[in-house]
Amino acid sequence: KAGVTQTPRYLIKTRGQQVTLSCSPISGHRSVSWYQQTPGQGLQFLFEYFSETQRNKGNFPGRFSGRQFSNSRSEMNVSTLELGDSALYLCASSLAVGGSEKLFFGSGTQLSVL
Amino acid sequence: AQKVTQAQTEISVVEKEDVTLDCVYETRDTTYYLFWYKQPPSGELVFLIRRNSFDEQNEISGRYSWNFQKSTSSFNFTITASQVVDSAVYFCALRRGETSGSRLTFGEGTQLTVNP
Repeated sequence: KAGVTQTPRYLIKTRGQQVTLSCSPISGHRSVSWYQQTPGQGLQFLFEYFSETQRNKGNFPGRFSGRQFSNSRSEMNVSTLELGDSALYLCASSLAVGGSEKLFFGSGTQLSVL
Repeated sequence: AQKVTQAQTEISVVEKEDVTLDCVYETRDTTYYLFWYKQPPSGELVFLIRRNSFDEQNEISGRYSWNFQKSTSSFNFTITASQVVDSAVYFCALRRGETSGSRLTFGEGTQLTVNP
């Protein structure tokens, strides 16, 4: 069974540009979450989708957005990139939402903003 | 507010030593869930264990064991006879009860280095 797949693995952008990251969950998983990981702030929750609906949102500006498609694949978009957006963006999937559900993580997309 | 504290930023041990990673959490919820994840250099977080707030039974799985104590709000993780392959960053995480979705609050992580 394939794991969570994130593309691209690495990305270099310049300030002011926008970027779209992609995540394919494990087959059968309907919940997808996104996290940002930086050396200074650690792992922070961005948002969560279930059945194409955003269920939960973290404390990030509106420049960060996402969506989920009918096949459960998800994308996140960051507009007007800032230097501080440089981070490892991790996607996680799970069968259902909440409770003791364990999250399965992808290897992440390393975004560098120059 | 939810908070997870891993006071140990880095730990370095020699192979075959036992090592304990500390985790202290804060929550006002009566129902919550605790997790440990491991992040090797490849980047993905690998699930290790989960506990709910009503299950204080400690667990041993091979060389791994976990000690959950509600009285001290701690959920510590011990590796017995450590191996070089155990080198990674270990994260403790907290999830609120049933209505919070899958959102995890992570600790800062502990970088474990096991030297041969």
